Amino acid sequence: DTAVSQTPKYLVTQMGNDKSIKCEQNLGHDTMYWYKQDSKKFLKIMFSYNNKELIINETVPNRFSPKSPDKAHLNLHINSLELGDSAVYFCASSQTSVEDTQYFGPGTRLTVL
Amino acid sequence: GDSVTQMEGPVTLSEEAFLTINCTYTATGYPSLFWYVQYPGEGLQLLLKATKADDKGSNKGFEATYRKETTSFHLEKGSVQVSDSAVYFCALSLFSSGSRLTFGEGTQLTVNP
Repeated sequence: DTAVSQTPKYLVTQMGNDKSIKCEQNLGHDTMYWYKQDSKKFLKIMFSYNNKELIINETVPNRFSPKSPDKAHLNLHINSLELGDSAVYFCASSQTSVEDTQYFGPGTRLTVL
Repeated sequence: GDSVTQMEGPVTLSEEAFLTINCTYTATGYPSLFWYVQYPGEGLQLLLKATKADDKGSNKGFEATYRKETTSFHLEKGSVQVSDSAVYFCALSLFSSGSRLTFGEGTQLTVNP
């Protein structure tokens, strides 16, 4: 009965590899987000999709590409991974037409070696 | 741009002590305000929220009041417990900004028995 789930929970990979993180929500929400939490715990928005349409695209390297196959899923693909990409990535969702509370997934800890 | 400033941490208290974590914001408009909590190794959980001036959000003994005149949303609890040890994030959301959450730096709270 998990509301927002992410896979994998941990991801360890080498520099230069390509990896994906998946996010699914079963809350029936229309908007999904990706946030990055750095080593100092600071959280920053990366992307947001509303009904499969990209609505927020922050200043993120174009090695990061979000994909939303349907409004319950928002995946994050990262090409040519760099050391600085090591962080915890959180997915979140909200029903923006009703309220603005966002519900977060458990996070994916990405470590680039 | 929009921003949130939290009191610097870490904060260490004894059990049953009074807690205040200061939060002030800058926003072009009338944001909704939130406190999220992150327990060790977990994702973010909504603690409380307020959507308009003078609203008071409350949950689990925590309270915060939306003060438009001082652009503040300070978190308080009368008697903390060891189980309250976590990182606390103040955040704002504006519909005009795609309802993204803009977070403060986070405040690490440790409660000792």
